[in-house]
Amino acid sequence: DVKVTQSSRYLVKRTGEKVFLECVQDMDHENMFWYRQDPGLGLRLIYFSYDVKMKEKGDIPEGYSVSREKKERFSLILESASTNQTSMYLCASGGVDEQFFGPGTRLTVL
Amino acid sequence: GQQLNQSPQSMFIQEGEDVSMNCTSSSIFNTWLWYKQDPGEGPVLLIALYKAGELTSNGRLTAQFGITRKDSFLNISASIPSDVGIYFCAGQSLGGNEKLTFGTGTRLTIIP
Repeated sequence: DVKVTQSSRYLVKRTGEKVFLECVQDMDHENMFWYRQDPGLGLRLIYFSYDVKMKEKGDIPEGYSVSREKKERFSLILESASTNQTSMYLCASGGVDEQFFGPGTRLTVL
Repeated sequence: GQQLNQSPQSMFIQEGEDVSMNCTSSSIFNTWLWYKQDPGEGPVLLIALYKAGELTSNGRLTAQFGITRKDSFLNISASIPSDVGIYFCAGQSLGGNEKLTFGTGTRLTIIP
């Protein structure tokens, strides 16, 4: 059974904290993605990676960075969390016709 | 960034009714996908469409890739309680990279 796992289902952080969201896939996919989901806005792409140590900005990269040191792991970093980064964060891996999603991390920034 | 217009935003229907939703774009896509998200979970792929005019079924679900390449439709027949969730369309534009553009979602609620 294919799997994308995310390190936390729920996370509460304070403004200004550095936040790490981890994603691991076991399907040997080259492509991995980070999205945020907000009501009425759908899924918006933050960053994606098509290979180890390779990354590209998505539609809303401001305030975020990413790290891909190993093929199976893709991390999203909030350098200094702000309240407008309160959201559901979804990781995915795969290609166009086979993007598999993790269960999501609901992040609240107080 | 580009977003797809998906409608309706929400639907309240009775069990057994048919459901229709659609997505439109100002630009052409060469692939359309439909996902469903159950509460508390990540989206799961339902149907993938690769050719203009293509009509594809998956059980009670039927999706179509519009002739203009700028729209897609999803129909659910004889809805059941487990159809509840948020449905997203997603498209890949011409250009060859693996990025998807997602619609804003249609939240389906079934009234007992």
